[in-house]
Amino acid sequence: SQTIHQWPATLVQPVGSPLSLECTVEGTSNPNLYWYRQAAGRGLQLLFYSVGIGQISSEVPQNLSASRPQDRQFILSSKKLLLSDSGFYLCAWSYRDEKLFFGSGTQLSVL
Amino acid sequence: KQEVTQIPAALSVPEGENLVLNCSFTDSAIYNLQWFRQDPGKGLTSLLLIQSSQREQTSGRLNASLDKSSGRSTLYIAASQPGDSATYLCAVKKDSNYQLIWGAGTKLIIKP
Repeated sequence: SQTIHQWPATLVQPVGSPLSLECTVEGTSNPNLYWYRQAAGRGLQLLFYSVGIGQISSEVPQNLSASRPQDRQFILSSKKLLLSDSGFYLCAWSYRDEKLFFGSGTQLSVL
Repeated sequence: KQEVTQIPAALSVPEGENLVLNCSFTDSAIYNLQWFRQDPGKGLTSLLLIQSSQREQTSGRLNASLDKSSGRSTLYIAASQPGDSATYLCAVKKDSNYQLIWGAGTKLIIKP
């Protein structure tokens, strides 16, 4: 069966510090991978998606970036965090039947 | 522009009741619609996916219906239990690209 791992679960970072969130998927190959952000009391916002290694599409211009160095690994990064980057970050994957499966999320607080 | 609305934003019912959650969308030309559940501080769990050619999908005590012409989907929960307490979100895919349009969710509380 397929599983998705996302870490860390919580993160507190100072403004201006770098960020690296990692997500890995097991039990499938060539999945579509996604990074979402969920701000408190608001809906989900798609940040990035990837259909293959090295292929990244950005939905919202911002100071975040994403990379897919391996088929089942998706990384969300920032060189310098802003206060507005605080939120709940979710990694997800989908495949043929197009159901979307989510990781457990990372609560990021930028102080 | 596709917009997805979920009303009410919150709902509290006694245990054992059957209930319906609503999801409406403005553009009837959809590819599919998904219902998700989110527990506080957790990721989302996919509950049901309805393709545009389908009218409903069932999983256990859950039944989701789709009426494209009226721009509505409902999630029916039978014999509700306290463990059903969560936020329920619906999301619509317009076509075979990768963008889902999300509702803001309905926070459901089942009182023992």
